[in-house]
Amino acid sequence: GAVVSQHPSWVICKSGTSVKIECRSLDFQATTMFWYRQFPKQSLMLMATSNEGSKATYEQGVEKDKFLINHASLTLSTLTVTSAHPEDSSFYICSAARGGNQPQHFGDGTRLSIL
Amino acid sequence: EDKVVQSPLSLVVHEGDTVTLNCSYEVTNFRSLLWYKQEKKAPTFLFMLTSSGIEKKSGRLSSILDKKELFSILNITATQTGDSAVYLCAVEPYTGNQFYFGTGTSLTVIP
Repeated sequence: GAVVSQHPSWVICKSGTSVKIECRSLDFQATTMFWYRQFPKQSLMLMATSNEGSKATYEQGVEKDKFLINHASLTLSTLTVTSAHPEDSSFYICSAARGGNQPQHFGDGTRLSIL
Repeated sequence: EDKVVQSPLSLVVHEGDTVTLNCSYEVTNFRSLLWYKQEKKAPTFLFMLTSSGIEKKSGRLSSILDKKELFSILNITATQTGDSAVYLCAVEPYTGNQFYFGTGTSLTVIP
């Protein structure tokens, strides 16, 4: 159990376009989902915490209007990178936890490349 | 400031060797420490530790937590090339949703 699906796994798009990434918990309900960004050979950097039915909580330095997060249901959260630019190119990973003292389980990640 | 430090940063061993990866932390209101293995994609969960002195074991991997000295170790015995990966340590506090990740240990196992 505890499978998290992330889609798409790889995106290449032109500068200025918006990209939506989906994160789904397939076999459990996740009250909270997390979005991370990872640069090459670096650790995960938490971008925001997504709570079902409420606004996401963003970490310091992360632009809310740039990285739109929606947590529409207990099994789906989306991250939209608006007006993407080359500096937004990165590996984006979501995770979800069942709640309580349960470990986070990660999606497979999305490699975003902005040309 | 809360932080998680892993050592060594990288390690190269031969198949069959035993390795010990270290994770020390300074996190307020500690709740749990987690180990993840990251290959080409996203991290996969290995262990979650909440109590001191209780070893968790899965095959050739084992881990233990020392809440007094604020560290954990991950042991891998009889290493195989498939163990090559980055091993991440993360600490979760009771307050807030922040997970504090270490920078990881890059393990390379050569035949």
